Amino acid sequence: NAGVMQNPRHLVRRRGQEARLRCSPMKGHSHVYWYRQLPEEGLKFMVYLQKENIIDESGMPKERFSAEFPKEGPSILRIQQVVRGDSAAYFCASSPWSPGSSTDTQYFGPGTRLTVL
Amino acid sequence: KQEVTQIPAALSVPEGENLVLNCSFTDSAIYNLQWFRQDPGKGLTSLLLIQSSQREQTSGRLNASLDKSSGRSTLYIAASQPGDSATYLCAVQTGANNLFFGTGTRLTVIP
Repeated sequence: NAGVMQNPRHLVRRRGQEARLRCSPMKGHSHVYWYRQLPEEGLKFMVYLQKENIIDESGMPKERFSAEFPKEGPSILRIQQVVRGDSAAYFCASSPWSPGSSTDTQYFGPGTRLTVL
Repeated sequence: KQEVTQIPAALSVPEGENLVLNCSFTDSAIYNLQWFRQDPGKGLTSLLLIQSSQREQTSGRLNASLDKSSGRSTLYIAASQPGDSATYLCAVQTGANNLFFGTGTRLTVIP
């Protein structure tokens, strides 16, 4: 069973461009979480999605950021008009259960490192 | 708002030593607490998960304890090895759908 896959692993964008980060959850997992790790900071929750639904986006910046998890295909985190402050590592995690159940470990992908020039 | 603090921020020990990493959190209303390992440029590997009703979990040379009422957890690593060198992250899961992470302890085990 392959783990959580993220691509690309490294992404370089110039200011004003768009960044699209992809996450394929583990097989059988229908819950996806996105986290951001800014330099020298801890991981911060951004958004929690189930198939075709955004459940909690309380950690998402209000502008330029969006996320989706379509019925088919990977989850996408999209950042429009990137700025230097968006440079960070973006991690995706997946889980098979609803949060609060007895086994709700989140399995993390290797991350996408975004650099904005 | 939940805040997670890890002390120390960095730690260097000679190979073979036992060590303790500390984690504290401000809101004791948690579902569980997890310890992760993060290697440079890599993702996170879950080491131990302690449910809120549990006091400790063990895996090999690792032992994690949880004192929910005081908002503290410790990760004990026995007989440290150079391969243990990594950043160790503590995270708590609250009633919300996400994990709150500390900033980590960067461990270096010197051969």
